[in-house]
Parts: sequence; structure tokens; C-alpha cells
Amino acid sequence: DQQVKQNSPSLSVQEGRISILNCDYTNSMFDYFLWYKKYPAEGPTFLISISSIKDKNEDGRFTVFLNKSAKHLSLHIVPSQPGDSAVYFCAASAWGSNYKLTFGKGTLLTVNP
Amino acid sequence: EPEVTQTPSHQVTQMGQEVILRCVPISNHLYFYWYRQILGQKVEFLVSFYNNEISEKSEIFDDQFSVERPDGSNFTLKIRSTKLEDSAMYFCASSSAVAGVADTQYFGPGTRLTVL
Repeated sequence: DQQVKQNSPSLSVQEGRISILNCDYTNSMFDYFLWYKKYPAEGPTFLISISSIKDKNEDGRFTVFLNKSAKHLSLHIVPSQPGDSAVYFCAASAWGSNYKLTFGKGTLLTVNP
Repeated sequence: EPEVTQTPSHQVTQMGQEVILRCVPISNHLYFYWYRQILGQKVEFLVSFYNNEISEKSEIFDDQFSVERPDGSNFTLKIRSTKLEDSAMYFCASSSAVAGVADTQYFGPGTRLTVL
């Protein structure tokens, strides 16, 4: 079941540059999308979300873009910092699904000093 | 800042034994969830719980699994007879979603279950 796909298992960027993490989805019923960050042996930490009525949401260094026609979202981190190094998960929920989240496989971001 | 807590952080058990994983959700939240992540795989939904009953469960959540909110603060996941394939990280989450409006789910640190 690949309703949420993160096709890049890893991404490496230099400190200060932009990190762009991508996510695609196939279920057109999804209407709420979230990005979580996860360190080893810890639980997912919420970063930012976006509802399907918007195409952009910004919070500090983090911006999420949603392209509904392409069923694609992306997370931009700028400027990237070494502390951003973690696994980033894209997740989605559908109205009427009791808000259960469907996760992607994650992308390991490494920010090099 | 309020957070979801889980105990124990690591549980080792023998195959066939019962385990209970405990969670204390954020106090004003109404929806509670269990997810699991088998090593190297995706985080997978197990069950959601609202108004003292299961609102949705996945195919994984078979008769060996049960959830309970025994008091006003704890939310538990019981596995009646553990199998080797139940070895995973189990995450509890909670949200303040009200009907028709999705809201952020906040996750606990997880319990690592190892079945020998």
C-alpha cells in the first residue's frame, strides 16, 4: 500500500542551503497533510501541516507547499542547520477516516556543517 | 509544553506472553491512536479511539490486540499472545480533533517491544 510515497530515501545538503523534501500521494480523499521529524529511538515530532484548502503554509524556516492537481507536496527548510539532520516523514489523513495517518517511508536528511 | 508519555520505553517478552503498553495522552485531547513501526519499515496505523470506543482499526489490529482507557488519563494497548512479528516500536498519539476537522496528532516517544 503506497498511498503516500517519499521517493528519496536520503538527501544531503550543506549548512545554510535550502533542503527540499518531496512527497507524492495517490488517494484523492486525503485532505490534511503533515510533516514529522524523527530522531532514532524517539517518536515523530510534528513540524508543520497544511490543509487541502491551502497551497502554502509557512512557519519560521519551514514551508510546506501543496499541489493538489499533481498530488504532490514538498517541505522546504531554509536555511538548513546541522540540527535538522533527521528522518522526515510525510503523512496524510482523509476526512471521514477518523483522522488515521498514512505515512511515507521517510527521507533521511543530513545537513553537513 | 504538554506531551504524550509512554511506558515502558523497552519491553522484552517471550513469544506467547501478554504485554500491556501504556500511554498518557495530552490531557485535553479527545482522540487517541496506536501506531507501530517495524524496523526499516513505515509507521503503520493500528487503531483510533474516541469517546471510549474504537473508531477505526487496521487489518493488523486483530483479536490479539485490544485497547482500553481504564481511567481518565491512561490509554493502553494489550497484546494477548505475542508473536515474533509483533516486535516493533509502538507509538501512542493523541489529538484534539473534533468531528469533521482534522488536527495535529502528537506522538509519544514509543515503546520498543522485543519478542523472543
